[in-house]
Amino acid sequence: QVQLVQSGAEVKKPGASVKVSCKASGFTFTNYRIAWLRQAPGQGLEWMGWITTYNGNTRYAQKFQGRVTMTTDTSTTTAYMELRSLRSDDTAVYYCARKATLIDNWFDPWGQGTQVIVSS
Amino acid sequence: QSVLTQPPSVSGAPGQRVTISCTGISSNSGATFDVHWYQQLPGKAPKLLIYGDSNRPSGVPDRFSGTKSDTSASLAITGLQAEDEADYYCQSSDSSLSVVFGGGTKVTVL
Repeated sequence: QVQLVQSGAEVKKPGASVKVSCKASGFTFTNYRIAWLRQAPGQGLEWMGWITTYNGNTRYAQKFQGRVTMTTDTSTTTAYMELRSLRSDDTAVYYCARKATLIDNWFDPWGQGTQVIVSS
Repeated sequence: QSVLTQPPSVSGAPGQRVTISCTGISSNSGATFDVHWYQQLPGKAPKLLIYGDSNRPSGVPDRFSGTKSDTSASLAITGLQAEDEADYYCQSSDSSLSVVFGGGTKVTVL
């Protein structure tokens, strides 16, 4: 079945970086974009950006420009999201999700989420 | 503050019909952007519920329906069940083609 499985929880200090992975299976990885989103505790969903898996092109939300890097490894059908210069307000659950098509912007399915805690 | 506006909460008794509004949908070249809806059960990842304003993915019960008119969209749940207690989010695009979400609506089954 179509599935995205993410890496485990992380605890980081302010100023550090975190890299979250998202292993895809059950579909042709290079036919889709992989998006990254996050949800702070008790808050709503926030889109961070996406990567076009077949060529590595990225589109980042303005808020994260300069601080986020999304990459893929097509040989292992895995997407990665690295966030740098972490702050306490980066504490959130981070999700990867498959973007419907190149044109359509809905996301399905989603990974199970990766908890990232930023604390000194 | 979210770009799309949803009520923080709605509630209903089992079997009743509830609706969740989503206002502030942007447009491009005279047509409003598509709206999609997600259900997030407690402690779980979001799940696609409605795409392209009113389409249900395979496996989503027909108790869930979506509509859109001008700059507003709605999600309706008919025959409310205890298992529908969750947070619901609308999603669309803004004028820069960035993805935007509503703030979420908590549905409580009384």
